[in-house]
Amino acid sequence: QVTLRESGPALVKPTQTLTLTCTFSGFSLVPSGTSVTWIRQPPGKALEWLARIDWNGDKYYTTSLKTRLTISKDTSKNLVVLRMTTMDPVDTATYYCTRVQESRIENWGQGTVVTVS
Amino acid sequence: QTVVTQEPSLTVSPGGTVTLTCASTTGAVTTGSFPNWFQQRPGQAPRPLIYSTYNKYSWTPARFSGSLLGGKAALTLSGVQPEDEADYYCLLYYGAEGVFGGGTKLTVL
Repeated sequence: QVTLRESGPALVKPTQTLTLTCTFSGFSLVPSGTSVTWIRQPPGKALEWLARIDWNGDKYYTTSLKTRLTISKDTSKNLVVLRMTTMDPVDTATYYCTRVQESRIENWGQGTVVTVS
Repeated sequence: QTVVTQEPSLTVSPGGTVTLTCASTTGAVTTGSFPNWFQQRPGQAPRPLIYSTYNKYSWTPARFSGSLLGGKAALTLSGVQPEDEADYYCLLYYGAEGVFGGGTKLTVL
């Protein structure tokens, strides 16, 4: 059974750096075609694709936030970390980590709510 | 910046059929954008419904189908049920980067 769990601070101050951890089980980031993607959703608003890290370490970021995001993984510990710098109140959102197989976002974590204030 | 556009809201009667669409500012949506569709009910994480244009997951009800229609990705619900009332999001890929649409709020009335 695949599970993903996001963890990190619920509250951050403007200009601070946010660090979120996705801890997963039921799959490994070793097989070809497997990746983890971070997605966020501001309250009452649409989903936003943020970043992806592939099984081989390749990393991709949404163009609009590319300069602020860093994604990394620890395959041995089954976790993926997302860092977002210079946090602003508009970054208040639920942040989800997801398991992606090829282009399929198959599994979602429950999400973690981050408030910037 | 690429923008993916969906109908903000749609209303359908129980038992009816409705089509939601997903358009791209870069031009016609193709299978190469690997369209994905998700359903989200209030307070819940999104649930995957369709991947790579028309492929269903084992949990996707048969009444949901994906296609390409007039240069857009489309999600059709046939025989709508009250529990289908939710927000629906499409996702398109531009190379390795994904872009979500703004979502469609589907009301079953």
